[in-house]
Amino acid sequence: SQELEQSPQSLIVQEGKNLTINCTSSKTLYGLYWYKQKYGEGLIFLMMLQKGGEEKSHEKITAKLDEKKQQSSLHITASQPSHAGIYLCGADKGSQGNLIFGKGTKLSVKP
Amino acid sequence: NAGVTQTPKFQVLKTGQSMTLQCAQDMNHEYMSWYRQDPGMGLRLIHYSVGAGITDQGEVPNGYNVSRSTTEDFPLRLLSAAPSQTSVYFCASSTGTSGLVRGELFFGEGSRLTVL
Repeated sequence: SQELEQSPQSLIVQEGKNLTINCTSSKTLYGLYWYKQKYGEGLIFLMMLQKGGEEKSHEKITAKLDEKKQQSSLHITASQPSHAGIYLCGADKGSQGNLIFGKGTKLSVKP
Repeated sequence: NAGVTQTPKFQVLKTGQSMTLQCAQDMNHEYMSWYRQDPGMGLRLIHYSVGAGITDQGEVPNGYNVSRSTTEDFPLRLLSAAPSQTSVYFCASSTGTSGLVRGELFFGEGSRLTVL
C-alpha cells in the first residue's frame, strides 16, 4: 500500500531562517496536498499539486512536486512564529479516491 | 459559513459505553470522511461516504459504525468503547468528484475522546 514519509519529524528554527520539509511517496502521486495544523485545532489546507514539476506559493510558503511525482517539498522563507505548527502532506490513493497522510512535521519557530 | 462542525469537542467515556460523534457540513459536499489522529500514527481513515446512502470502510473501521441519511450529516458511532479508541477524531468533507483526485478536504475542529 502507498505510504507517505515526511522528514524531518520535528524542526526548531530561529525566526527569520528558511526551512524545508519533505514528503516522499512509495508510489506515483496523483494529487499531493499540504496542510497545517495548530495544536488542538483542525487541518487548514495550504496547497495542492498535481503536475510533475508544479510549484505553488502562498505568502512565504512554496511547495513543489518533483518531475517524477514521488516527492514534494514545502519551503518556508524568513520563518515567523505564526508559521509554527504541524505540517502534514496528504496524497490521493488513486482509484479509491481517499486521502492518506504522512505523520507530520512539527515546526517550532524561536523568536 | 460554518463549514464542517463536529460535536462534542471533548468526551470522556468508560469502557463498554457507546456514543455518537456528530459531524455536519453546510457546503453541500458529497464526500465525507472520518479520521482518527494518534501520536506517531498520523491520520488514519475510519469510514467514508461518497453520497447519501453510501458508506464504505477505510483503513481502521473496527469498532465504529457510520450512516449517511442526508448529504449534510455523517455521524460516527462507537459501539462499545475501548481504551484503544482514545484519540482525536476529525471529520472532513470534499466537493471532489470521483476519480483519481479527491480534491481539497475541509476539516472540522476535531473531537477529543478519552476512554477509561
